[in-house]
Amino acid sequence: DAGITQSPRHKVTETGTPVTLRCHQTENHRYMYWYRQDPGHGLRLIHYSYGVKDTDKGEVSDGYSVSRSKTEDFLLTLESATSSQTSVYFCAISESTSGSYEQYFGPGTRLTVT
Amino acid sequence: GESVGLHLPTLSVQEGDNSIINCAYSNSASDYFIWYKQESGKGPQFIIDIRSNMDKRQGQRVTVLLNKTVKHLSLQIAATQPGDSAVYFCAEKARGATNKLIFGTGTLLAVQP
Repeated sequence: DAGITQSPRHKVTETGTPVTLRCHQTENHRYMYWYRQDPGHGLRLIHYSYGVKDTDKGEVSDGYSVSRSKTEDFLLTLESATSSQTSVYFCAISESTSGSYEQYFGPGTRLTVT
Repeated sequence: GESVGLHLPTLSVQEGDNSIINCAYSNSASDYFIWYKQESGKGPQFIIDIRSNMDKRQGQRVTVLLNKTVKHLSLQIAATQPGDSAVYFCAEKARGATNKLIFGTGTLLAVQP
């Protein structure tokens, strides 16, 4: 998985509790992304980062926040988890070189909100 | 995981046959396209990419064709093997959009032995 780890890999939490997912990379790539994946949908971008402390919203950012204090770590926080946030979350990294925009994905975190 | 395959269009092929997976994209301004493979319980893996100034690109056992006139992308897999069974996604990048990809919903390829 191209030097990308996600933690935890599985989590069950209750509605209304805060949850933080961590993505860690060892590739020193500039760009990092958080996606969610649900049945019937492709990967949908939640937030992304284009450098330390530089982040921006994706298409489904409501209810999520992110932080990137170091190049290697990108945190996704659900301030108050809801059942609609039950999903599989993927982190990805990329480094635009020679016109290739390939993103490398982590193994995913399965989150269940009860 | 397994739930990714639910509700997806499915292509069923016999082992050894060639597979063609299709993708329609919406943005005529997209200048870069990429195919990913996702096996059950894993993250997507890069297969092949193509820029909009090309019509065809070949890799090992895979070929991507781009038809900009009808905004259509296809992935051809030669001599399909059981290990090719997975969900396949196409993704596009709009011209000027820095390193952001828009993903399609995917196609489930089922290889019959």
